[in-house]
Amino acid sequence: EVQLVESGGGLVQPGRSLRLSCAASGFNFDDNAMHWVRQVPGKGLEWVSGISWNSGSIDYVDSVKGRFTISRDNAKNSLFLQMNSLRPEDTALYYCASSEEFRRYSSGYYMTKFHSWGRGTLVTVSS
Amino acid sequence: DIVMTQSPDSLAVSLGERATINCKASQSVLFTSNSRNHLAWYQQKPGQPPRLLIYWASTRESGVPDRFSGSGSGTDFTLTISSLQAEDVAVYYCQQYYRTPPTFGQGTRLEI
Repeated sequence: EVQLVESGGGLVQPGRSLRLSCAASGFNFDDNAMHWVRQVPGKGLEWVSGISWNSGSIDYVDSVKGRFTISRDNAKNSLFLQMNSLRPEDTALYYCASSEEFRRYSSGYYMTKFHSWGRGTLVTVSS
Repeated sequence: DIVMTQSPDSLAVSLGERATINCKASQSVLFTSNSRNHLAWYQQKPGQPPRLLIYWASTRESGVPDRFSGSGSGTDFTLTISSLQAEDVAVYYCQQYYRTPPTFGQGTRLEI
């Protein structure tokens, strides 16, 4: 059974940092691309960042570029999101999700559907 | 960014009746290299993460009941539930994965 378990969320002051983790099991983690998607409670879904199986392709939504860094450790079946300079508008439930492909090519990125999702970890940015 | 617009925002359908949700993309999500529409549908129930229902606009994910179907191409897509069951109460999202950032519709709340 595919399992994605996020951790690391919490209450943090504006301008501070937080590191989220996602532990994967039940599938070949190193054959899959991974993503972070966030959702303000009661609102819609927003993709935050994606990373290819070998970390060779990475992208971010414009609102987090320069502040967030996605990474993965295939030996530990883990995905990470380092979030710096946090803002109140980053407050959300952060999900990790897997997809078969996410790779850069000449005209952009080739992606496939998000086939598995974790249950999320809540990040609250407030003074 | 590609804007995904769903209609309606909410929908009430009687048990056993058909439910139809529409999704319009601000530009085509048909990838010419593979002739596939990079469009997925997800179901989200309260307190749960999204669940993949449909991908490539019309391919049902394994384990998804066959009352769920997807159609459309280019910029206009539809999710149809042929005979609504009580467990189908949820918010439904379309998503384009044609171009980064992959974007979602605003969601359609489906009620009995």
